[in-house]
Amino acid sequence: SQQGEEDPQALSIQEGENATMNCSYKTSINNLQWYRQNSGRGLVHLILIRSNEREKHSGRLRVTLDTSKKSSSLLITASRAADTASYFCATDGAGSARQLTFGSGTQLTVLP
Amino acid sequence: DAGITQSPRHKVTETGTPVTLRCHQTENHRYMYWYRQDPGHGLRLIHYSYGVKDTDKGEVSDGYSVSRSKTEDFLLTLESATSSQTSVYFCAISESRPGDTGELFFGEGSRLTVL
Repeated sequence: SQQGEEDPQALSIQEGENATMNCSYKTSINNLQWYRQNSGRGLVHLILIRSNEREKHSGRLRVTLDTSKKSSSLLITASRAADTASYFCATDGAGSARQLTFGSGTQLTVLP
Repeated sequence: DAGITQSPRHKVTETGTPVTLRCHQTENHRYMYWYRQDPGHGLRLIHYSYGVKDTDKGEVSDGYSVSRSKTEDFLLTLESATSSQTSVYFCAISESRPGDTGELFFGEGSRLTVL
């Protein structure tokens, strides 16, 4: 079963707009990670946020984590056409610290 | 880019034949993983390894076996391929446990079609 579920499944925006993707999960976690996958390629790690952190920034990325609601959000500011990709959240599930469980992803399309 | 090579990158086979996918890393990372990716399911863990000859099952391990005789190689075997195993298979490596700071580095994937 999937630990993380992303919302929305698909998102289409104009270049320059902000994109927000959400992730909900079911069990306690140690950390939550976000990955990006360009079409036909492997996943690339974007950012990790620990369970004791509430917000983290990396360049144009902003991630929030609300452990009380078991949810996270990924914000991409000033989006570019090159941001077009699928985005996945992944959680470790505190009881299975050797593996990550991925959601089904959000397909982001940024229109030029 | 992390040194991860998957082979073959594409394979078409027939139901009932054995198939082995290879993952080779040059990073000397301890942890290695095999995931499959299917539309609507995201990535699902098949098997993982936490050291040479140390492996464990993931969420969808039925019909798959793995072996790790060397740090750098992690093999995924389908003993008798079925059409339900048509998928894109990704190998990933990690230096530390996901519960610590263990970000995963992924290979480019192996697309398997079982006719």
